[in-house]
Amino acid sequence: AQSVTQLDSHVSVSEGTPVLLRCNYSSSYSPSLFWYVQHPNKGLQLLLKYTSAATLVKGINGFEAEFKKSETSFHLTKPSAHMSDAAEYFCVVSAAAGNKLTFGGGTRVLVKP
Amino acid sequence: DAGVIQSPRHEVTEMGQEVTLRCKPISGHNSLFWYRQTMMRGLELLIYFNNNVPIDDSGMPEDRFSAKMPNASFSTLKIQPSEPRDSAVYFCASTHLTGDSSPLHFGNGTRLTVT
Repeated sequence: AQSVTQLDSHVSVSEGTPVLLRCNYSSSYSPSLFWYVQHPNKGLQLLLKYTSAATLVKGINGFEAEFKKSETSFHLTKPSAHMSDAAEYFCVVSAAAGNKLTFGGGTRVLVKP
Repeated sequence: DAGVIQSPRHEVTEMGQEVTLRCKPISGHNSLFWYRQTMMRGLELLIYFNNNVPIDDSGMPEDRFSAKMPNASFSTLKIQPSEPRDSAVYFCASTHLTGDSSPLHFGNGTRLTVT
């Protein structure tokens, strides 16, 4: 069995300040982990993925995430938020055969000018 | 690459009517997924296909829901008869499945409203 918990349903930051979105997972296997972003009225877009290579993963738009096995965490960060980062972000785990993904509940990010 | 294409973008229908949602996956992808997104339940996997064959339909809520993939470039999700509680955004996603690390490519979704 696998599960994903996103610890914050909403995060509010000021433009130019760091963003931290927290994600914890549980899995019976060595997981693959993803972060997706969803802008209003759009589908989900892949930001980055971890697949047991480097533990620090760099994605698009300046985002990165660090896999910490001891903490079962995969937090997403960005050093400086931009207005265009306002969206909903999903942490996702895949560890079962057939690429069955488990989605977290999502974190909605608000960026204040 | 045009991405995953879904149609229609919006559908408004009355309770009891049949609804058909359509999806064209990315060319070359061998797996297709249908998801439903609501505020209450978030993203739910309804069904997925591998090489046009349904592999797991355990997420299909009721017999009113059915999905087909007649060929590698087209899939439909049908609801008959529709009910107000079916109102949601339905997403189609595709990938080239090579293991458990294949990222999904999502379409922009179909927003279904059943009155």
